[in-house]
Amino acid sequence: GENVEQHPSTLSVQEGDSAVIKCTYSDSASNYFPWYKQELGKRPQLIIDIRSNVGEKKDQRIAVTLNKTAKHFSLHITETQPEDSAVYFCAASQRALTFGSGTRLQVQP
Amino acid sequence: DTAVSQTPKYLVTQMGNDKSIKCEQNLGHDTMYWYKQDSKKFLKIMFSYNNKELIINETVPNRFSPKSPDKAHLNLHINSLELGDSAVYFCASSQASGYLPKAEQYFGPGTRLTVT
Repeated sequence: GENVEQHPSTLSVQEGDSAVIKCTYSDSASNYFPWYKQELGKRPQLIIDIRSNVGEKKDQRIAVTLNKTAKHFSLHITETQPEDSAVYFCAASQRALTFGSGTRLQVQP
Repeated sequence: DTAVSQTPKYLVTQMGNDKSIKCEQNLGHDTMYWYKQDSKKFLKIMFSYNNKELIINETVPNRFSPKSPDKAHLNLHINSLELGDSAVYFCASSQASGYLPKAEQYFGPGTRLTVT
C-alpha cells in the first residue's frame, strides 16, 4: 500500500516569513496529491491539490510542487500570517487518501 | 445546509458497549469514507463506499461495521468498544470515478469518541 512521509513535524516561523513542508510517497501509481489544513478541534479542509500531470500549482500565497520521478511534493506558504497556524497534512491517492503524519505550523506575530 | 454532517459530535461510553455514528452528505457525491484520527493526529482511512458498495476496507477489526443504506448516508457501528477505539472519527465524501477519487474530499465535523 501507499506510504506517505511528511517533514517537519513542527515548524515555527515569524510572521511574513515563508514556510515549506515536504512529503514523499511510495506508490508510483498515486495520481492525486491534496493538502489539508486542520485547525484545532476542526475538520480537515482542502487548501490546494495537484494531480500527477502537473508540476506546480499556485493559489495566492500557497503553492505546491510535485516531482513524480523523485516521488515527492511540497507545500510552500509565503508571507505567513498568524491565521496560517494549524496542522497541515499532505496526502497521496490512488484509491484512497493516505495521509502524512502532519506538520504543526506556528506563525509567531 | 451543512455539506457533510455527523451525529453525535461527542460520544462517551464504557468498554464493551455498542455504539453507532451516523453520517450524511447532501453534495450528491457517490463515494463516502470513514477516517480515524488518533490522539497523535494520525488520519487513517478505515472504509470507503462507492454507490453503496464497499470498495476499501483497511485492516480494521471486524467489530467495526459500516453500513450504507443509500449514496447519501454511511453509518459506522462499533461493537464491544475498547479503550483503543477512543479517537475522532471523520466521515468524508467525494465525487469519484470508479475507484479513482478525482476531486476534493469534504470532511464532516468529526465525532469524538471516548471509551472509559
